[in-house]
Amino acid sequence: GEDVEQSLFLSVREGDSSVINCTYTDSSSTYLYWYKQEPGAGLQLLTYIFSNMDMKQDQRLTVLLNKKDKHLSLRIADTQTGDSAIYFCAESPGDTGRRALTFGSGTRLQVQP
Amino acid sequence: EADIYQTPRYLVIGTGKKITLECSQTMGHDKMYWYQQDPGMELHLIHYSYGVNSTEKGDLSSESTVSRIRTEHFPLTLESARPSHTSQYLCASSEYGETASTDTQYFGPGTRLTVL
Repeated sequence: GEDVEQSLFLSVREGDSSVINCTYTDSSSTYLYWYKQEPGAGLQLLTYIFSNMDMKQDQRLTVLLNKKDKHLSLRIADTQTGDSAIYFCAESPGDTGRRALTFGSGTRLQVQP
Repeated sequence: EADIYQTPRYLVIGTGKKITLECSQTMGHDKMYWYQQDPGMELHLIHYSYGVNSTEKGDLSSESTVSRIRTEHFPLTLESARPSHTSQYLCASSEYGETASTDTQYFGPGTRLTVL
């Protein structure tokens, strides 16, 4: 079935760039998303990318999509301690008949001062 | 900022109690969702609604039930809570349609439930 996979943990130093990777299986997904979850909170939409795009940039965030390899990444430039959170990638249902986004298991980003 | 609310934010109750977790949104979204998030962080879809009077079970079997009598309101009920129900419950909503904004889900802050 459809699956979205992420590495569980990433640690970086403040000021460095962070790259969070995600792989997905549904080639019919039209949109791919990145969400951020801070402790004790719900998921906050960070950005999304349409499947016919290779890259999308939004301030410190850069999303890269390799549709051939079904690989999605989120780069955070100049990572700050406030970026420490869990980051989820998600794919849209596409034409699979699924009813909701499929989420990865989340990557915990720890930013060290 | 999405206008979706959940109450209570935290709840600690004893085994056997009946509880209702509230979720409401003011965006007029047709689709609403309930997720259970385990300590390992993964989200599991437990309930889904296309609109008023429409509810479906999600990917993860759950002993909870939901109702959708009004567009803005999607409460989740546990008739008899057990320690295995201890978890974080997240509510979300999205528009109905074919563009990216319709797939985009907006989340409430969550309810952390502890059953003793």
